[in-house]
Amino acid sequence: DAKTTQPNSMESNEEEPVHLPCNHSTISGTDYIHWYRQLPSQGPEYVIHGLTSNVNNRMASLAIAEDRKSSTLILHRATLRDAAVYYCILRGAQKLVFGQGTRLTINP
Amino acid sequence: DTGVSQNPRHKITKRGQNVTFRCDPISEHNRLYWYRQTLGQGPEFLTYFQNEAQLEKSRLLSDRFSAERPKGSFSTLEIQRTEQGDSAMYLCASSLPHRLAGLTDTQYFGPGTRLTVL
Repeated sequence: DAKTTQPNSMESNEEEPVHLPCNHSTISGTDYIHWYRQLPSQGPEYVIHGLTSNVNNRMASLAIAEDRKSSTLILHRATLRDAAVYYCILRGAQKLVFGQGTRLTINP
Repeated sequence: DTGVSQNPRHKITKRGQNVTFRCDPISEHNRLYWYRQTLGQGPEFLTYFQNEAQLEKSRLLSDRFSAERPKGSFSTLEIQRTEQGDSAMYLCASSLPHRLAGLTDTQYFGPGTRLTVL
């Protein structure tokens, strides 16, 4: 399974943008980049995914480097409800392979 | 509520006992996944079903673990002769992949069953 590297923790302020980085230098050409997040005491929830092009949805944006060896999840305006562990996942098979993720703290 | 449901939400058992967890996926989702999560770690894949067929099992799924999805709807995960190391959150997820969409289907997770083995 291809490996991802994320910072253990990040902190940001409410109503400010947040950029969560992910390195995946061993990504293969067919791996999709998925992001899930896990709020306290809940199961993970889908955030966004992409293959090569940048993607936007109502929750976030995903910026993918041209060589696909890194990506950044962008929360445009963080709220307290965005405090969670964010997982960057390379999906090359049906299962999701989670790393340890980035614990995001949002300060009011 | 039409999300994934899991029962029970919490289970406390003594070492050596058998336990069974149930997962009800979102209606019409043909894929069902089981994951295990220990404190401070990300979820680890255990197994998945497409309809009633169990298509992949992790090496984490020892002989004491068995999962079934008899009619392609709900699933059960049984742990026999529980050990303290089995204490974890057991998560279930379901998805409905589009045959043309590759590995893009969203997995919807339930709230999990927290198992404590004393």
